[in-house]
Amino acid sequence: EDKVVQSPLSLVVHEGDTVTLNCSYEVTNFRSLLWYKQEKKAPTFLFMLTSSGIEKKSGRLSSILDKKELSSILNITATQTGDSAIYLCATGGAAGNKLTFGGGTRVLVKP
Amino acid sequence: EADIYQTPRYLVIGTGKKITLECSQTMGHDKMYWYQQDPGMELHLIHYSYGVNSTEKGDLSSESTVSRIRTEHFPLTLESARPSHTSQYLCASSEPRGGGYNEQFFGPGTRLTVL
Repeated sequence: EDKVVQSPLSLVVHEGDTVTLNCSYEVTNFRSLLWYKQEKKAPTFLFMLTSSGIEKKSGRLSSILDKKELSSILNITATQTGDSAIYLCATGGAAGNKLTFGGGTRVLVKP
Repeated sequence: EADIYQTPRYLVIGTGKKITLECSQTMGHDKMYWYQQDPGMELHLIHYSYGVNSTEKGDLSSESTVSRIRTEHFPLTLESARPSHTSQYLCASSEPRGGGYNEQFFGPGTRLTVL
């Protein structure tokens, strides 16, 4: 059974701080790892990392995939209150189109 | 931006009622999914579909059923709602690339409360 574990469960930072979120996985025939941001309702897609694309960056957010360690990190620099959300990690494996989600990391950015 | 819609957004209903949660997407995606998420908890896949007339049960057992008669429409039905069905239900769809390389786009969700 595929498994995705995220840490920490939650963290509180102040505006301007940098946060690093962790995701580790055990997936049969790993294909991809995805990061989502979930605010009040639906998750919104951030990044997808694969064997051919192990590092992604968009503005203040960046993510790296470590296939040896079976893990990924999501970095947010110069955090803003709008970054407050739950960040979800998910993996796609041999089952192809299904994703397995981790429990998420709740980030609260204080002014 | 993804065009995937869910109705209703909120539903409060009594025990024993039959309910249908609607999900539609206008992107022509073949693959669609239903997830259940309790507050502060993980998303659990309860149903998915790879195309018209294709439906499969997900990783979490659910008493709900789904149908896929049209590509754009993937409704979820509970024949007899119970308080244990109280949860948020999220619908998603993905581009027809498959092989584990697909990003899924989510609808806004339906928050269901069964009294």
